[in-house]
Amino acid sequence: GEDVEQSLFLSVREGDSSVINCTYTDSSSTYLYWYKQEPGAGLQLLTYIFSNMDMKQDQRLTVLLNKKDKHLSLRIADTQTGDSAIYFCAVILTGGGNKLTFGTGTQLKVEL
Amino acid sequence: GAVVSQHPSWVICKSGTSVKIECRSLDFQATTMFWYRQFPKQSLMLMATSNEGSKATYEQGVEKDKFLINHASLTLSTLTVTSAHPEDSSFYICSAPHQTYNEQFFGPGTRLTVL
Repeated sequence: GEDVEQSLFLSVREGDSSVINCTYTDSSSTYLYWYKQEPGAGLQLLTYIFSNMDMKQDQRLTVLLNKKDKHLSLRIADTQTGDSAIYFCAVILTGGGNKLTFGTGTQLKVEL
Repeated sequence: GAVVSQHPSWVICKSGTSVKIECRSLDFQATTMFWYRQFPKQSLMLMATSNEGSKATYEQGVEKDKFLINHASLTLSTLTVTSAHPEDSSFYICSAPHQTYNEQFFGPGTRLTVL
């Protein structure tokens, strides 16, 4: 499989919470990142978590990190139609220097 | 946060021609910039690391003679797709790491379509 994996697609109703998951093989990242990409656009950094933390909350966003299981998740509370986009996690893999490796991407669709 | 721009945002060219894409860090200096390629509905794949004042480092499987990279200054890196073919059609994104913010800032991307 891929070094950094995500589910391909997630559909939620407006107002519900969305949880996007990411698993990685091994990471030497000081920080682990979540990016958002809207159609035809570049990447926007949403949030990140320091590798020695297990949770970070930033307004509607909550990042959970389980280093033992090599699992990172992004929870979006009260999901809005404007949250519809592709979400990528990104980490620096062990031996990767300072190069970010991106997850496979999760397309989030928010329905009314 | 810092700003990275790309130019052009969209280019259509004929097969066999060369296309140059610019990546600029507008308000900070970047000794390193990264070039990614993204196919529709796929993730970003790192193509190469551009190093100011020295040769770029290419990822495995990326043809250095096909994708010429020049990092002429601390705020500008260029990617030239030489003798472009339809299979080179893709979304090309650059990024520059910012030391103070400890993150990479991404350009808005350049969509290349080769006819």
